[in-house]
Amino acid sequence: DSGVTQTPKHLITATGQRVTLRCSPRSGDLSVYWYQQSLDQGLQFLIQYYNGEERAKGNILERFSAQQFPDLHSELNLSSLELGDSALYFCASSPSGSGRAMGFFGPGTRLTVL
Amino acid sequence: DQQVKQNSPSLSVQEGRISILNCDYTNSMFDYFLWYKKYPAEGPTFLISISSIKDKNEDGRFTVFLNKSAKHLSLHIVPSQPGDSAVYFCAASARTGANNLFFGTGTRLTVIP
Repeated sequence: DSGVTQTPKHLITATGQRVTLRCSPRSGDLSVYWYQQSLDQGLQFLIQYYNGEERAKGNILERFSAQQFPDLHSELNLSSLELGDSALYFCASSPSGSGRAMGFFGPGTRLTVL
Repeated sequence: DQQVKQNSPSLSVQEGRISILNCDYTNSMFDYFLWYKKYPAEGPTFLISISSIKDKNEDGRFTVFLNKSAKHLSLHIVPSQPGDSAVYFCAASARTGANNLFFGTGTRLTVIP
């Protein structure tokens, strides 16, 4: 158990819909990272938040957004969903703002868009 | 553009033998490298890392070798055990710029008892 929790585990929805994925970092970790893993692909970095503020942005679509709340949990919002958004979405946390300390990933949310 | 590549999607090894997983990168700004192991229905778990100032780092049965001139790293597992069967991801980070990691596509290791 990494200490990082993600809900829900599975999500099935239709094209055009909007969903919210939730991540709770390990106790004491200030940074949250979101990654997307499509079929047979590596993990692609989406976005990082550090202590409530956006720190770094990767290949995140404009239809996607995220935020980190005062209790440090984070939510990833995906809207106007397309078939190609079906993927595993992982959240990771680290104590600092540096990705080099990223040892802890959540179990992921599997999103299926029909 | 995939900056971290794992060209072998799968590898099978007999229990007790050595497993060698390979990873290549293209970005010369990468100076920190990590290996993660992933079981089905779980997130990646950090295994071992290496800084570019070293060419080898060892932790128990796991050793990572870095060849900067070839932009290549490898993970050696000796001896391999059935519990090592998983997908292994190589990741890299740059000394400047974003804080994120760049991941390879993974190698599925199967250790045959």
